[in-house]
Amino acid sequence: SAVISQKPSRDICQRGTSLTIQCQVDSQVTMMFWYRQQPGQSLTLIATANQGSEATYESGFVIDKFPISRPNLTFSTLTVSNMSPEDSSIYLCSVVQGATAFFGQGTRLTVV
Amino acid sequence: AQSVTQLDSQVPVFEEAPVELRCNYSSSVSVYLFWYVQYPNQGLQLLLKYLSGSTLVKGINGFEAEFNKSQTSFHLRKPSVHISDTAEYFCAVSEGSGNTPLVFGKGTRLSVIA
Repeated sequence: SAVISQKPSRDICQRGTSLTIQCQVDSQVTMMFWYRQQPGQSLTLIATANQGSEATYESGFVIDKFPISRPNLTFSTLTVSNMSPEDSSIYLCSVVQGATAFFGQGTRLTVV
Repeated sequence: AQSVTQLDSQVPVFEEAPVELRCNYSSSVSVYLFWYVQYPNQGLQLLLKYLSGSTLVKGINGFEAEFNKSQTSFHLRKPSVHISDTAEYFCAVSEGSGNTPLVFGKGTRLSVIA
């Protein structure tokens, strides 16, 4: 099973600023996925990150707000830009191995 | 498009009683099915999964689930719950081709009462 290290684990940020979340996997994977979990809600897919190409965003999410980098097969970053209190959520990265999804511990973001 | 419906948002149950958390899905293709658990302030942990084969799958912590294709269901069960089972449980589905993201249900909050 894949082991995913995600950081920071939590942060409190001022509105209007940006936060970059890092995700490191212990093995090479083709695709990495970024999810958002708003307070008391389920997980919603933000985007799929392929190495060597631009990320694919789901409806309601745009690159300007959530730019993603995928410089190699074990690492990805998600930036939450120009934050507002509505961006307060848990952000999780995920990979699939053996048809099973594994998740990082998540980044708990609070925007004040 | 796939979707997952968890019929109960909250399930209170007394300790040592049995519990069933219901999950139905819709998909036009073959699917893989999963249950994840999220303890307070923690990440997601895989409880069990159905990829193929036997429709009754056993997972960690004494949980099991049964895949019913005709009813498009994947209900989670445990014969005797413990206080430590109090958590949020998510049912999820992915296309049966591997390396695709999950679609999650809204979650069921299981509260075990002493």
